[in-house]
Amino acid sequence: GQQLNQSPQSMFIQEGEDVSMNCTSSSIFNTWLWYKQDPGEGPVLLIALYKAGELTSNGRLTAQFGITRKDSFLNISASIPSDVGIYFCAGQLNNAGNMLTFGGGTRLMVKP
Amino acid sequence: DTAVSQTPKYLVTQMGNDKSIKCEQNLGHDTMYWYKQDSKKFLKIMFSYNNKELIINETVPNRFSPKSPDKAHLNLHINSLELGDSAVYFCASSQVVRPGAFASYEQYFGPGTRLTVT
Repeated sequence: GQQLNQSPQSMFIQEGEDVSMNCTSSSIFNTWLWYKQDPGEGPVLLIALYKAGELTSNGRLTAQFGITRKDSFLNISASIPSDVGIYFCAGQLNNAGNMLTFGGGTRLMVKP
Repeated sequence: DTAVSQTPKYLVTQMGNDKSIKCEQNLGHDTMYWYKQDSKKFLKIMFSYNNKELIINETVPNRFSPKSPDKAHLNLHINSLELGDSAVYFCASSQVVRPGAFASYEQYFGPGTRLTVT
């Protein structure tokens, strides 16, 4: 089935560093969503993107909907220890109704 | 608190048993979902359901069935549990944020139920 390629799979960074992760697909999406999952919890919606080229920020987080509609990236500036977790991209295909396809996740570890 | 809630948080059971996981949302959303997250953290949609339509992921065994007593609840019934069913199951709900032919949805997740089949 349709998959999103999310990279990197994991990152181990120093507190204060900026982080970048991205998702790519061979199919066109009409919506991109970015989630964060803490251990033992459900994914929490961070940012939603609806238009090609759209750039949206949420605090230290910034995400963009790629012009080709086949990719998206998420940046985290000045990382802090509580940024630790797994970040997922999710896309909605035009012909998939309300169904989301998820990337494999990026596990972020921050060293104080 | 407005949220998606699930019970139980943990479920340990033996092979062959039948079990249910309950989900409730008080967000007023029309559509609810069940996801399975495997040991590698990969999230896979199982069902999408609103009061008009059930969409089933064709890879889901028919031992799994969603039951919705009303718009705010979507329970997951699993018959004849197998070892491979061990996973974390998430309920979610969504609202339309951009109506239209290709409507956009934002999905909100519950805290998950960790199912262990022994």
